[in-house]
Amino acid sequence: EDKVVQSPLSLVVHEGDTVTLNCSYEVTNFRSLLWYKQEKKAPTFLFMLTSSGIEKKSGRLSSILDKKELFSILNITATQTGDSAIYLCAVGGSGNQFYFGTGTSLTVIP
Amino acid sequence: DAGVIQSPRHEVTEMGQEVTLRCKPISGHNSLFWYRQTMMRGLELLIYFNNNVPIDDSGMPEDRFSAKMPNASFSTLKIQPSEPRDSAVYFCASSSGGGRFGNQPQHFGDGTRLSIL
Repeated sequence: EDKVVQSPLSLVVHEGDTVTLNCSYEVTNFRSLLWYKQEKKAPTFLFMLTSSGIEKKSGRLSSILDKKELFSILNITATQTGDSAIYLCAVGGSGNQFYFGTGTSLTVIP
Repeated sequence: DAGVIQSPRHEVTEMGQEVTLRCKPISGHNSLFWYRQTMMRGLELLIYFNNNVPIDDSGMPEDRFSAKMPNASFSTLKIQPSEPRDSAVYFCASSSGGGRFGNQPQHFGDGTRLSIL
């Protein structure tokens, strides 16, 4: 059965801390792995990863994929209160379907 | 550019009533997805369409749920009869690509918050 597992389920940190969110997967015919950020409304797209070892960066956020060990990490450095959200990992398999993890809830305290 | 548009934003109705949720995908996107999100189960894929054709509806919980996509710019998700356990946020998302270009990011609508009393 295809599945995506995220850890930790929730995380509380202080502003300025660095956090690492994990996503492991078992998906048939892997095609891509996506990270989303969800605040109060809809998930918004962060990164799309298709190749191992190539880091994607956007400001204080970065992500990397390991297709051999079947996982990805999302790093956030110098966290701010605006980073508080649920971070979702999704893995694309056959066709155009995605399998979502249950998310990591991040709370950044001032 | 307009994003994915869902309506209504909120729906409160009594158990047993028919509920219809609507979605307009981003123009030019050829895949459309319906999701349900709850605190207990997270984001669950209900059904997805490619070029207006249902590809995988294995996530539809039971026969009370049905989805249609009569054309490239409109889709509905219907629940009849509704039950309190259907209460959730229902998201519609669309994407382009697939095929040899691989999966493309999905763009989500703001969701419909459904409460069944």
